[in-house]
Amino acid sequence: AQTVTQSQPEMSVQEAETVTLSCTYDTSENNYYLFWYKQPPSRQMILVIRQEAYKQQNATENRFSVNFQKAAKSFSLKISDSQLGDTAMYFCAFMRLLGANSKLTFGKGITLSVRP
Amino acid sequence: KAGVTQTPRYLIKTRGQQVTLSCSPISGHRSVSWYQQTPGQGLQFLFEYFSETQRNKGNFPGRFSGRQFSNSRSEMNVSTLELGDSALYLCASSLGGMGTEAFFGQGTRLTVV
Repeated sequence: AQTVTQSQPEMSVQEAETVTLSCTYDTSENNYYLFWYKQPPSRQMILVIRQEAYKQQNATENRFSVNFQKAAKSFSLKISDSQLGDTAMYFCAFMRLLGANSKLTFGKGITLSVRP
Repeated sequence: KAGVTQTPRYLIKTRGQQVTLSCSPISGHRSVSWYQQTPGQGLQFLFEYFSETQRNKGNFPGRFSGRQFSNSRSEMNVSTLELGDSALYLCASSLGGMGTEAFFGQGTRLTVV
């Protein structure tokens, strides 16, 4: 079974600064997907960024980038130039590549507050 | 393109009753997954339906069941409600292929009293 761990329950960052959210996972599989989802107060989960484990290059989406360390099973999210709208809960998630399924295994999440 | 629609948004039920939640996926999406979100346990996978067949199931008791219709709409049913079933229930739809993005609805907030 896969597990995803987000050890920091809360973080705070000043607007326009950079913040890094940590995530580690455990799996015996070699091929899989990793995701970061954002859940604002509206409750709707929104995909922030996705990383395929077979790709060595770290994924980037505008102000969001990841540091994917496969050997260490680490998948951190860096948010640059933080904006007030980034305030939300952030969830790290794992999806198997093998088998027909769309199941996501989530971490407990981290609450990020962006201060004006 | 319309997003994932979950109804109702809020629900209050009494212990022992049963409840049915509905999820309409994005047009063209054949996979619908259900998750339970609570402050203590976080997000936990309930089950996934693809083309009207359950193809994955989480570790929940048999009181939790679901189904998917030919138009990909899905329903989730919880029987004999317990106080611990109070949670946000999220539905996610996707094309169903490997690693495809899951799009979430806004959830149904169920309170059991």
